[in-house]
Amino acid sequence: GQQLNQSPQSMFIQEGEDVSMNCTSSSIFNTWLWYKQEPGEGPVLLIALYKAGELTSNGRLTAQFGITRKDSFLNISASIPSDVGIYFCAGQLKKTSYDKVIFGPGTSLSVIP
Amino acid sequence: DTAVSQTPKYLVTQMGNDKSIKCEQNLGHDTMYWYKQDSKKFLKIMFSYNNKELIINETVPNRFSPKSPDKAHLNLHINSLELGDSAVYFCASSQAVRGGAQHFGDGTRLSIL
Repeated sequence: GQQLNQSPQSMFIQEGEDVSMNCTSSSIFNTWLWYKQEPGEGPVLLIALYKAGELTSNGRLTAQFGITRKDSFLNISASIPSDVGIYFCAGQLKKTSYDKVIFGPGTSLSVIP
Repeated sequence: DTAVSQTPKYLVTQMGNDKSIKCEQNLGHDTMYWYKQDSKKFLKIMFSYNNKELIINETVPNRFSPKSPDKAHLNLHINSLELGDSAVYFCASSQAVRGGAQHFGDGTRLSIL
């Protein structure tokens, strides 16, 4: 079945550094989504990508939908302590009567002040 | 106003008991979901309802029974709880047209003693 891989699995960075993480699959997706989950809360949508090659920014976050439609990456510039959390990518496939969303295993980000 | 609200936030109970978790969304979305997040933070879809009809039913024991009285509510009833049911259960909702952009509740932390 479809499966997503995220790398790195975890990151420890200094405040102010830029962060890059990616999501890959052997399957083609129609939509890529990036979520952030903070401790004790549910995942929150950061960026949604709907077209191959699309590059979208949300503040210090930038994400791209890979040309092959099998990957996506997320960059965070000038990290701050509140960026700490688990970042999930999710790929969406259109089925006949519904949209199937598959989540990656997550990248855990720690920011050292 | 909370967009997707789940109750209770914490649930501690003994093996063999029956329990329910409630979810309500005030976003006017057509589709609602239940996810299970295990101790490794992996998010796995359990069920999805669109306009009160079941559209996704992943491989979940039949001790789990979702019920959608209307499109704003999706409850989860669990019979004969087992130790392996301990996890965080998330409810989410989305518009059917852009089904991938799911909005999550804050989760229900279920602990089985």
